[in-house]
Amino acid sequence: KNQVEQSPQSLIILEGKNCTLQCNYTVSPFSNLRWYKQDTGRGPVSLTIMTFSENTKSNGRYTATLDADTKQSSLHITASQLSDSASYICVVMNSGGSNYKLTFGKGTLLTVNP
Amino acid sequence: GAVVSQHPSWVICKSGTSVKIECRSLDFQATTMFWYRQFPKQSLMLMATSNEGSKATYEQGVEKDKFLINHASLTLSTLTVTSAHPEDSSFYICSARDSSGDRGPEQYFGPGTRLTVT
Repeated sequence: KNQVEQSPQSLIILEGKNCTLQCNYTVSPFSNLRWYKQDTGRGPVSLTIMTFSENTKSNGRYTATLDADTKQSSLHITASQLSDSASYICVVMNSGGSNYKLTFGKGTLLTVNP
Repeated sequence: GAVVSQHPSWVICKSGTSVKIECRSLDFQATTMFWYRQFPKQSLMLMATSNEGSKATYEQGVEKDKFLINHASLTLSTLTVTSAHPEDSSFYICSARDSSGDRGPEQYFGPGTRLTVT
């Protein structure tokens, strides 16, 4: 069964600090892995997309890593800001061609306090 | 990036009434759109896949007669919650697939619609 597990479930940090969120997946066959940011009451917004051959990808203060061998990914947030408070969702796409499927993690709820 | 809109952003309705939610791809054509439901502190759950000009494909456990989907054009899909009940209260998110890119299909999410049934 395709699954995406995220940890921690929630995280509280102080403004300016760094943090790392984890994602483990068992989706097969694998096409790509995405990290989304979802603000409360809003739809998910894409942060990064990584294919099998990509080990790391950055988007501003967000850096995602992917280890396709161990089927693990991480999202590192540098110098956190209050606006980073949101749910961060790891999503894995299988390589089903036009019939691909997205498998969603439950997300990590990040709270950045002043 | 591509934009997907939803209307309304929130709606309150009485039990037993029907509610229609619209999803539009604003700058690309989407032959395929997706409808998700998200309960508090839960992940997005795929309800159905909407294909332009044909019937939607529903996920197991989703009542097709209760959640009517119409994808009449390449830029618009609608979800109608019929005879809504309080347990239908949720956050409904649509997503549209853009297959025109060089890197393969990309999926963009709408801002969501908060449905509250009283």
